[in-house]
Amino acid sequence: QVQLVQSGAEVKKPGASVKVSCKASGYIFTSYDINWVRQATGQGLEWLGWMDPKSGNTGYARKFQGRVTMTRDTSINTAYMELSSLKSDDTAVYYCARNPSFTGDFEYWGQGALVTVSS
Amino acid sequence: QAVLTQPSSLSASPGASASLTCTLRSGINVGTYMIYWFQQKPGSPPQFLLNYRSDSDKKQGSGVPSRFSGSKDASANAGILLISGLQSEDEADYYCMMWHSSTWEFGGGTKLTVL
Repeated sequence: QVQLVQSGAEVKKPGASVKVSCKASGYIFTSYDINWVRQATGQGLEWLGWMDPKSGNTGYARKFQGRVTMTRDTSINTAYMELSSLKSDDTAVYYCARNPSFTGDFEYWGQGALVTVSS
Repeated sequence: QAVLTQPSSLSASPGASASLTCTLRSGINVGTYMIYWFQQKPGSPPQFLLNYRSDSDKKQGSGVPSRFSGSKDASANAGILLISGLQSEDEADYYCMMWHSSTWEFGGGTKLTVL
């Protein structure tokens, strides 16, 4: 069965970087895009960007350009999202989600990774 | 102004129907866009429900009951998620989403209470 398993919770200081992983199984990793979405406590969903694991092509939300980097390691079927220059309002649960290219059918999601930014 | 606007809350009775709206910003015509709908329960990631562009271009999520359906109201420039035969388990947050200007845009979400 399709699974996306994310890395664990992180606590970071303001100005630091965080790298969240998303390990895929149960399907051909390079056949679907990976998107990253975050959610602050009690708030709505916010899209950070997408990556095509086959080509490595990415697209980032304008708000995060220059601060977010999405990569992958196809040898271990894992996608990564790194967010730099962290601020307190980056505190959120970060989700990865799988979708067929050119659609918003985010049919499988990771369990989420809580990133807390605090001094 | 946000690209997608959803009412923050909605209440409905068990067995009734609930119509959740997702209004597009003025100047963006709902007609050509695919609107996606997600359900999220506390402590869980969102779940894909369905997408809807037109009656001939739509998709139901795997395992999603047929009492969840999508439509559009062109006069209101909105996408609509209709939930019929409401059950207590439908109580959740619902988000709409669309692709606009190279960005996946989410609505702010509607908290549906079934009481």
